[in-house]
Amino acid sequence: TQLLEQSPQFLSIQEGENLTVYCNSSSVFSSLQWYRQEPGEGPVLLVTVVTGGEVKKLKRLTFQFGDARKDSSLHITAAQPGDTGLYLCAGASPFGGGSQGNLIFGKGTKLSVKP
Amino acid sequence: GAVVSQHPSRVICKSGTSVKIECRSLDFQATTMFWYRQFPKQSLMLMATSNEGSKATYEQGVEKDKFLINHASLTLSTLTVTSAHPEDSSFYICSARYRDTEAFFGQGTRLTVV
Repeated sequence: TQLLEQSPQFLSIQEGENLTVYCNSSSVFSSLQWYRQEPGEGPVLLVTVVTGGEVKKLKRLTFQFGDARKDSSLHITAAQPGDTGLYLCAGASPFGGGSQGNLIFGKGTKLSVKP
Repeated sequence: GAVVSQHPSRVICKSGTSVKIECRSLDFQATTMFWYRQFPKQSLMLMATSNEGSKATYEQGVEKDKFLINHASLTLSTLTVTSAHPEDSSFYICSARYRDTEAFFGQGTRLTVV
């Protein structure tokens, strides 16, 4: 069974601070996606990383995919209250099976940025 | 990104009744749709995967007779919660993808069974 361990589970910081969220697994993923979810809404895709070692930037957010495609990180620089939300990483299994194409989700990181 | 519309966004029903939730891909053909359930402050739990024109594949522990999934066209999948009970109250989310491209999520449906 493939699992994605996401940490930390909760994070409360002040506006302007930096933070990093980690997503780790013992399994290889063909790609990894990061989502942000606000209460009462569906997750919104932030980025997809595909190549080992890949780094993608989205304004103040930096996403990295591990060389072995088993882990990923999300770094936010100078966090703002608008960054508050649930951040989810999700890995796409490279294998087939009954749930082919399924995304395996981490448990999420609940981020709260206080002004 | 692509748009996935989920309806209704909120529904309240009486215990014992059935509720249907729709998931539509508005600007692409969804060869695969996924249905998730999310409990408060928790991550998404996959319930089932459906490919257009074939029966849904349910995850272990999900009752297929209780959660009926139909994926009759490339743009529509429905989840029907039959004989709903208060413990079925939850946030249900669908996602859709075309072949092996990125999946996009609906807005979710908050189901409350009273």
